[in-house]
Amino acid sequence: DAGITQSPRHKVTETGTPVTLRCHQTENHRYMYWYRQDPGHGLRLIHYSYGVKDTDKGEVSDGYSVSRSKTEDFLLTLESATSSQTSVYFCATASGNQPQHFGDGTRLSIL
Amino acid sequence: AQRVTQPEKLLSVFKGAPVELKCNYSYSGSPELFWYVQYSRQRLQLLLRHISRESIKGFTADLNKGETSFHLKKPFAQEEDSAMYYCALRIQGAQKLVFGQGTRLTINP
Repeated sequence: DAGITQSPRHKVTETGTPVTLRCHQTENHRYMYWYRQDPGHGLRLIHYSYGVKDTDKGEVSDGYSVSRSKTEDFLLTLESATSSQTSVYFCATASGNQPQHFGDGTRLSIL
Repeated sequence: AQRVTQPEKLLSVFKGAPVELKCNYSYSGSPELFWYVQYSRQRLQLLLRHISRESIKGFTADLNKGETSFHLKKPFAQEEDSAMYYCALRIQGAQKLVFGQGTRLTINP
């Protein structure tokens, strides 16, 4: 499981509040990713990182920002949460040409 | 643009019957394809990657470049195969994956 820990595992919050999700890895993998999983859409890439302080947008980046100040942590922030951001969020990591490995997910509900 | 299509959102078969989950892709470069499986409320796990040509849990998948397909097959389904299955394409030279919409497989006793 590449030593991936996502926190929190569950969160319920209100529209308009800021939310930060954390992904922590212990494998020293270079690449880290944030996806959202929604019925009928599969997994869609939000942002990814290819090194410390090196990040780029994915397919559905609007309304999200990320930061990676050290190799092991990749933070996903919703500056002002909206109900459309209710989803299950997965972090993944990868090293070299190896397949991506996923965390357990964070179930986020925006009321 | 690159795309992965899994035409069946839901697939239901009886235990012991053959299973085929379809995956088609659109990509101009040299594709690298994966199948991931997600059991109920668990993390995604890698099931197969085409370059390894392994058989995992009885599943196999062959890349057909002519038909741009990477269908997942198992000759005799088991109840524990019930899960969500995702096909994914890795973009050449990048470490990004493009996922299909997923197929929920249910194996009936």
